[in-house]
Amino acid sequence: KAGVTQTPRYLIKTRGQQVTLSCSPISGHRSVSWYQQTPGQGLQFLFEYFSETQRNKGNFPGRFSGRQFSNSRSEMNVSTLELGDSALYLCASTPPGAGNTGELFFGEGSRLTVL
Amino acid sequence: KQEVTQIPAALSVPEGENLVLNCSFTDSAIYNLQWFRQDPGKGLTSLLLIQSSQREQTSGRLNASLDKSSGRSTLYIAASQPGDSATYLCAVMEYNQGGKLIFGQGTELSVKP
Repeated sequence: KAGVTQTPRYLIKTRGQQVTLSCSPISGHRSVSWYQQTPGQGLQFLFEYFSETQRNKGNFPGRFSGRQFSNSRSEMNVSTLELGDSALYLCASTPPGAGNTGELFFGEGSRLTVL
Repeated sequence: KQEVTQIPAALSVPEGENLVLNCSFTDSAIYNLQWFRQDPGKGLTSLLLIQSSQREQTSGRLNASLDKSSGRSTLYIAASQPGDSATYLCAVMEYNQGGKLIFGQGTELSVKP
């Protein structure tokens, strides 16, 4: 069974540009969450999607947005990039069903560098 | 507001030693607690998950315990090996917060041959 797949793995952008990152969850998983990891702030929750609806949102500015498609694949977008947006962006998926343990399975991440 | 703290921030031990990593959280109303491993530049690998009703979980040389009343969890690694060198992260999920984990800052472990 394939794991969580994130693309691209690495990318470099300049300030003011926008970026879109993609995440394909484990087959059968319908919940997708996004996290930002930086050396200073550690791992911080961005948002969570389930059945194409945002169910939960962290404390990030509106420049950070996301969406989920009917096949559970998700994208996140960051507009008007700032130097501080340089980070490892991680996606995770959760299995569905009653009695769900809430366990998250993470991808390898997308490393964004903003110059 | 839930806060998760991990002590120590870094730890260096000789191969073969048993060790304990600590995690504390401020609000005991958690749904679960997960321990992860992260190698440099990589994603997170789930090690153990403890549901709120459980006291411990074991997988191979790893044992994680949970004491909700005191807001603490420990990860015990037996007979450490150089391949165990990585950053270990503790995270809690609160009720009705599916998909949202609150992470500690991690413990960077180095096991010397």
